[in-house]
Amino acid sequence: QKEVEQNSGPLSVPEGAIASLNCTYSDRGSQSFFWYRQYSGKSPELIMFIYSNGDKEDGRFTAQLNKASQYVSLLIRDSQPSDSATYLCAVTPSGGYQKVTFGTGTKLQVIP
Amino acid sequence: DGGITQSPKYLFRKEGQNVTLSCEQNLNHDAMYWYRQDPGQGLRLIYYSQIVNDFQKGDIAEGYSVSREKKESFPLTVTSAQKNPTAFYLCASSTLFTGRSSGANVLTFGAGSRLTVL
Repeated sequence: QKEVEQNSGPLSVPEGAIASLNCTYSDRGSQSFFWYRQYSGKSPELIMFIYSNGDKEDGRFTAQLNKASQYVSLLIRDSQPSDSATYLCAVTPSGGYQKVTFGTGTKLQVIP
Repeated sequence: DGGITQSPKYLFRKEGQNVTLSCEQNLNHDAMYWYRQDPGQGLRLIYYSQIVNDFQKGDIAEGYSVSREKKESFPLTVTSAQKNPTAFYLCASSTLFTGRSSGANVLTFGAGSRLTVL
């Protein structure tokens, strides 16, 4: 079982719709959870992180964490063509300089 | 501007040669990381370092070596022992964000180095 699992996609949504990206993790001790966006040929950039159960909102983005189900998701409201990218889920076991483990990413395509 | 600088951006290597990828940061971050990215495989951790003169192996350290003689620098050497070195290499650094009762080591990435073995 992979430590961090994501559906590789592509996930296609029409412009203006809500895109829902999902991630599961195997280590119950994982404490911090991250979503990074990576455009083709570029390096990843942080969208947001979450470490408490529930929802965290930042503009059009909402991260949702359910530690009991070992599940973290990212919702993108009012999707734009510029949101088309690969979205990487990452986890770290606890606060501090621990190794950060990434999923393989989900490719999102927003159709104009 | 603060950031992470990786060089070279593109590198071609003949089989049997060692190559060194440079990574320099001026963010005053303590921790630095090296990841490798292959198509469809996400990012895989090669090595990471929490403090100067100390580093730990990641998930795919075989065929690679690192040093951390200065806080700002974390070069990666791809040795001839690495059987399939063609990949996109990403260097990152982190600070510990302490908010509420926990922290999160947010990674800042360099632009990457693309290595091709001829």
